[in-house]
Amino acid sequence: LAKTTQPISMDSYEGQEVNITCSHNNIATNDYITWYQQFPSQGPRFIIQGYKTKVTNEVASLFIPADRKSSTLSLPRVSLSDTAVYYCLVGVKGGGADGLTFGKGTHLIIQP
Amino acid sequence: DAGVIQSPRHEVTEMGQEVTLRCKPISGHDYLFWYRQTMMRGLELLIYFNNNVPIDDSGMPEDRFSAKMPNASFSTLKIQPSEPRDSAVYFCASSHAGQGAHYGYTFGSGTRLTVV
Repeated sequence: LAKTTQPISMDSYEGQEVNITCSHNNIATNDYITWYQQFPSQGPRFIIQGYKTKVTNEVASLFIPADRKSSTLSLPRVSLSDTAVYYCLVGVKGGGADGLTFGKGTHLIIQP
Repeated sequence: DAGVIQSPRHEVTEMGQEVTLRCKPISGHDYLFWYRQTMMRGLELLIYFNNNVPIDDSGMPEDRFSAKMPNASFSTLKIQPSEPRDSAVYFCASSHAGQGAHYGYTFGSGTRLTVV
């Protein structure tokens, strides 16, 4: 599985757009990029998944450049409730081909 | 669907006792995963099943840990005997690998295990 690197922590303010970038230089041709969100005392929650270019859903956008060696999770107009740990994962194909390996994630803190 | 259901939510036990954690995956999901989370080590994959068959148990820390999936709607993770270093939050997750579709994993709320 491709290794990922993401910032340990970030902070921002309510109403701002937050972008969290993840590096995955060894991503394989068949690999997908998936982001999860975890609140304290809860299990991780699937946010978004993509293969290339841009993916958008009601929660976030995922930007993937042509070389796919990095990806950026974009959270528009964050609120206090977006304070959580965000994990970037690479290598899942179809949701279950391999057990997911989570890194340390990015601790995002949103301030008023 | 009620999501992935884990029980108990909290477990406090004495060192040396047997502990059994339970998980009910989402109906129709064909993959089931057991994870352990601690502050020091983060989220670790312990074992996962596909269609009730264990596929990869390389993450199971010791012979004291065992997992079973007797049917598509139930799995257990057992620790015997338990030790204080087993204290962690244990998560169960399930997923469905549909052809041509890409799905994420759905996690349960976890079992917080404390071994004293």
